[in-house]
Amino acid sequence: GQNIDQPTEMTATEGAIVQINCTYQTSGFNGLFWYQQHAGEAPTFLSYNVLDGLEEKGRFSSFLSRSKGYSYLLLKELQMKDSASYLCAVRANTNAGKSTFGDGTTLTVKP
Amino acid sequence: DAGVTQSPTHLIKTRGQQVTLRCSPKSGHDTVSWYQQALGQGPQFIFQYYEEEERQRGNFPDRFSGHQFPNYSSELNVNALLLGDSALYLCASATGTSSYEQYFGPGTRLTVT
Repeated sequence: GQNIDQPTEMTATEGAIVQINCTYQTSGFNGLFWYQQHAGEAPTFLSYNVLDGLEEKGRFSSFLSRSKGYSYLLLKELQMKDSASYLCAVRANTNAGKSTFGDGTTLTVKP
Repeated sequence: DAGVTQSPTHLIKTRGQQVTLRCSPKSGHDTVSWYQQALGQGPQFIFQYYEEEERQRGNFPDRFSGHQFPNYSSELNVNALLLGDSALYLCASATGTSSYEQYFGPGTRLTVT
């Protein structure tokens, strides 16, 4: 079976740094995704990790530890537009389509 | 370059009815996956089409069926609608079944009354 856990809600201040955690228990592992989803819109791809370590992409970074079944998404220099839901998703095999998603973390950025 | 498109945007149906949702993949993409996203939850994988065949399927009943056409566009059909089928239905496209990057369409909001 697949189980993905992430906090339901987080609040942070504009300009600050926030870390959104994701833990997973899956019957196989072939990569972990992070998506951003604004209310009423489609998810947009942020990052993909398949090996342990940190992947940095501008203000966003994603970390993976396969042995711990753990990932985090780090958002730096928060902006108001970063207020959104952040979805963690794991694919158990090479098929990206058949990914299991967590329920998302709703991030609210306050002035 | 057009991204993934879906139609209709919104739909209201009555219990027991049938519905068809449509998806056109991003240009150059040949694989389409369908997801159901209930309010406050993450997307749940329904099935995936590649080369006009269903390749993978999630834990959804046979009331959910689909089709892929030679131009790679796809349809999702849901029969005997239940109130619990009310959700945002997302389509995502990719190149092949093993590409790690997929692009989502804006979704179809289905309300069953």
